[in-house]
Amino acid sequence: EAGVAQSPRYKIIEKRQSVAFWCNPISGHATLYWYQQILGQGPKLLIQFQNNGVVDDSQLPKDRFSAERLKGVDSTLKIQPAKLEDSAVYLCASSSGASGTTGELFFGEGSRLTVL
Amino acid sequence: EDQVTQSPEALRLQEGESSSLNCSYTVSGLRGLFWYRQDPGKGPEFLFTLYSAGEEKEKERLKATLTKKESFLHITAPKPEDSATYLCAVQANSNQAGTALIFGKGTTLSVSS
Repeated sequence: EAGVAQSPRYKIIEKRQSVAFWCNPISGHATLYWYQQILGQGPKLLIQFQNNGVVDDSQLPKDRFSAERLKGVDSTLKIQPAKLEDSAVYLCASSSGASGTTGELFFGEGSRLTVL
Repeated sequence: EDQVTQSPEALRLQEGESSSLNCSYTVSGLRGLFWYRQDPGKGPEFLFTLYSAGEEKEKERLKATLTKKESFLHITAPKPEDSATYLCAVQANSNQAGTALIFGKGTTLSVSS
């Protein structure tokens, strides 16, 4: 079974530039998550999708971050304009549990962003 | 506010030297507590889910236990390949929107031979 795929693995940009990350979840997983992990910290949820609808985006900085999940499969996370504090690893995860129930999360390897 | 605190931040063990990692949590209602393992440059990998006080789960040299306020990850006779960061996460009943996990900062374990 293929795991969660993410790209690019690494990205270096200047502040105020834009960047986009792509995620392809495990086939059949309805729930998709984007987490931000700053060095030395645990992952923090940015946004959660159930199929192609947003379940929770309460911690997404909406003035600069946006995310979409078209057709309930792949997802894209965009940052525009980037700030220095956005330097982090962006983790995508998926699960087969429906929203509101507990499920094991399957994480991708992450996309490491460095903002200079 | 729901919160997860892990200790110690870092732990160095000799091969075969057993120890425990601690995860204390504050949530309005616990739906589940998770342990994950994260290797450098990788995403977290699921280990265990615990639902109620007194519950225990085991996997090879790892055993997770849960009380009403904390969880322990016991590592028996560790090997160098057990070196990783171990993350604790909780899912709270207070989260009405969905099933988001709240993670601690993790404990980085180093096992030397």
